[in-house]
Amino acid sequence: AQKVTQAQTEISVVEKEDVTLDCVYETRDTTYYLFWYKQPPSGELVFLIRRNSFDEQNEISGRYSWNFQKSTSSFNFTITASQVVDSAVYFCALRSATDSWGKLQFGAGTQVVVTP
Amino acid sequence: DVKVTQSSRYLVKRTGEKVFLECVQDMDHENMFWYRQDPGLGLRLIYFSYDVKMKEKGDIPEGYSVSREKKERFSLILESASTNQTSMYLCASSFGLDTGELFFGEGSRLTVL
Repeated sequence: AQKVTQAQTEISVVEKEDVTLDCVYETRDTTYYLFWYKQPPSGELVFLIRRNSFDEQNEISGRYSWNFQKSTSSFNFTITASQVVDSAVYFCALRSATDSWGKLQFGAGTQVVVTP
Repeated sequence: DVKVTQSSRYLVKRTGEKVFLECVQDMDHENMFWYRQDPGLGLRLIYFSYDVKMKEKGDIPEGYSVSREKKERFSLILESASTNQTSMYLCASSFGLDTGELFFGEGSRLTVL
């Protein structure tokens, strides 16, 4: 069975602080995909990144960076120099490559609150 | 700009009522999904569809049904709403053979009294 754990329910930071969101996953598949989505107050989840299980390179996109470590089954997400607009719920998700339909298993989400 | 549109942002219904939640996508996606989102539980898959008139149960299908008569439209039906179905409902779509990026609607918040 697949499982995604986001142990942090809520993280509060002051603007310009860095914040790291943890994601730990469980799967028996050797090929899988990991995702991060952002859900701002408007409600619509927005895709941030997809990583496949064979690509362990860390990725940076502007103030966002992702650290994928298969050895610890983790796919952590860091926001550098946070801004108020980063306030949202962030979801980590997992999909098996053998699943043709693209079903995602989501974690419980981490609420990030950035105050000025 | 790609779009997944859910017909109602907020609904209030009474126990026992039949509820329809509509979702339309304009991206010609094969796959469509209904998730419900509850605090502390994240998103849980109710039903999905990979083609017109095709449907598959997700993780929590009990108390729900779906309809997909046209490729762009996927409806979630609560035959007899109950208070434990009070939740945020999210529709999503994706390409059939893609690696799984989902495009989401803004959600429908349903309250059952």
